Amino acid sequence: DTGVSQDPRHKITKRGQNVTFRCDPISEHNRLYWYRQTLGQGPEFLTYFQNEAQLEKSRLLSDRFSAERPKGSFSTLEIQRTEQGDSAMYLCASSKTPLYNEQFFGPGTRLTVL
Amino acid sequence: TQLLEQSPQFLSIQEGENLTVYCNSSSVFSSLQWYRQEPGEGPVLLVTVVTGGEVKKLKRLTFQFGDARKDSSLHITAAQPGDTGLYLCAGDAGKSTFGDGTTLTVKP
Repeated sequence: DTGVSQDPRHKITKRGQNVTFRCDPISEHNRLYWYRQTLGQGPEFLTYFQNEAQLEKSRLLSDRFSAERPKGSFSTLEIQRTEQGDSAMYLCASSKTPLYNEQFFGPGTRLTVL
Repeated sequence: TQLLEQSPQFLSIQEGENLTVYCNSSSVFSSLQWYRQEPGEGPVLLVTVVTGGEVKKLKRLTFQFGDARKDSSLHITAAQPGDTGLYLCAGDAGKSTFGDGTTLTVKP
């Protein structure tokens, strides 16, 4: 399977702990996106990379969130000092340098903060 | 912020019925995508529309992009239980913006 993969699929943590998620995009895709989705809502944009460069970050994104894509391949999303409000599905998507920005999503990481 | 409003929010129908869901915005989009998402999974791309007035068909699904490229509709003919899911539209005018989706339930 050469689709987008995310790890872990589920994460339960206690408030105040740090968590890190990984995304492996489709190999020939140079754009990588992170989204957050809560129940009843559509995906909310967090940030995106073109190759290793982080081109945009949501103004709504707390400074507790950081993302990296060090070699332009896989990416990590870290949340420091987690809060209960961080509980959500974290989705990663990738695309080729977009003509139409068609994104292919991974299965997501479900985060529960107790 | 470019907002996409989807309607209805929820739709429950019997197998075999037809339905239409809508995606509306006050912004112009260079392209618009429709995705379907099942519980616990990521969205799956169904189609991209790029030209005002464009109509695309995917088996029993018909997608239309408005002439002004601000809105779109998805029509499903003879819905089946396998069509159940969350239907999301996403517009791109440089950055993807997602609507909150229509949750469709097709009862056998």
